Amino acid sequence: GAGVSQSPRYKVAKRGQDVALRCDPISGHVSLFWYQQALGQGPEFLTYFQNEAQLDKSGLPSDRFFAERPEGSVSTLKIQRTQQEDSAVYLCASSYSPSSGGPDYEQYFGPGTRLTVT
Amino acid sequence: ELKVEQNPLFLSMQEGKNYTIYCNYSTTSDRLYWYRQDPGKSLESLFVLLSNGAVKQEGRLMASLDTKARLSTLHITAAVHDLSATYFCAVDGYKAAGNKLTFGGGTRVLVKP
Repeated sequence: GAGVSQSPRYKVAKRGQDVALRCDPISGHVSLFWYQQALGQGPEFLTYFQNEAQLDKSGLPSDRFFAERPEGSVSTLKIQRTQQEDSAVYLCASSYSPSSGGPDYEQYFGPGTRLTVT
Repeated sequence: ELKVEQNPLFLSMQEGKNYTIYCNYSTTSDRLYWYRQDPGKSLESLFVLLSNGAVKQEGRLMASLDTKARLSTLHITAAVHDLSATYFCAVDGYKAAGNKLTFGGGTRVLVKP
């Protein structure tokens, strides 16, 4: 079956522009995660959804970052007034597990969106 | 706060030799993951280690977990060029909401002929 897809794959934004990054999780996956990976570093957690509920947004670096998943499937990560430090690869991952203790916990990662802010 | 440290950060390997990557984490965690990332690509899952003493092997790669020492190792046997990539370990907050992953900084592996 289809894996996690993300679009666009590459995005160049001028400083101050707003951007929207899309994630299509694997069908039926309850949990959805966003991570930010700066060049040469490991991914860092941004936010987590269980269905449409955003249960953890502790990793969002500022109030310019906003994520939503209104129907419990597709998710959008929006960055307002982009800054150069926002340049990174944004990874989306999904897992089946409906709860933290469930068996189907493994996260499947999408290809990422590479954002460059000039 | 859960912290994950890998070392070394960079590993230059000679083909045919054996090497080990270390992953230390700071608090109790029930699941440890190893991923491979090729340049410009996403994360490819290699291993999931679930319990103390767990050992998993796939080809030239073998991963082990010591939860008491909070240490996992990724052992590469007889390195070949195809293994050149960046390797990440990660742990999840299993008993915290959502299983969010905390990653190490990665080990960049370059296998030279």
